[in-house]
Amino acid sequence: AQRVTQPEKLLSVFKGAPVELKCNYSYSGSPELFWYVQYSRQRLQLLLRHISRESIKGFTADLNKGETSFHLKKPFAQEEDSAMYYCALSGNTGKLIFGQGTTLQVKP
Amino acid sequence: DTGVSQNPRHKITKRGQNVTFRCDPISEHNRLYWYRQTLGQGPEFLTYFQNEAQLEKSRLLSDRFSAERPKGSFSTLEIQRTEQGDSAMYLCASSLSGLAIDTQYFGPGTRLTVL
Repeated sequence: AQRVTQPEKLLSVFKGAPVELKCNYSYSGSPELFWYVQYSRQRLQLLLRHISRESIKGFTADLNKGETSFHLKKPFAQEEDSAMYYCALSGNTGKLIFGQGTTLQVKP
Repeated sequence: DTGVSQNPRHKITKRGQNVTFRCDPISEHNRLYWYRQTLGQGPEFLTYFQNEAQLEKSRLLSDRFSAERPKGSFSTLEIQRTEQGDSAMYLCASSLSGLAIDTQYFGPGTRLTVL
């Protein structure tokens, strides 16, 4: 079965602390993995995708096929990073399968 | 072009009524997706179009739901005989398919409340 699991509903850290949002997936094949972010009162937007290997707003994510994980990391959290983060995978049809989401709260 | 737009943004209806939502994708995008999101959950795939062809439908899409994309431009999602369980945010996304997996751009959503 195709599934994305984000085990934490809420992650609360202080400004300047490291952040790791966990994502595990189940997929038979080679999926494309994404992180989407939704800031307060804004639409869902792409943060990064594993194939591009970019660092966006200081965030990185490494695909670990052995552990079927795609955790999102940032060394120093900023208050403006507070948002809802969704991990998603896409198979060959293009449709996205999302996790339940993790709310990141960065405290001053 | 300011991105994917959806109308209306909010819809309140009584149980048993029919509702229709519209999505206008980014103009050159040939793929259009519909998702549903309930409170505390991530978006769930409903259906998608490539141009005017509806290529996949989720089992979530009961026979009360119908989607169209005439001429491969805007799309409509209609729900007949609404039920309270249909209350959710309905999201539309569009993308330009190519050799690589395409990036989906999302609209602001239509929030449906069924009383």
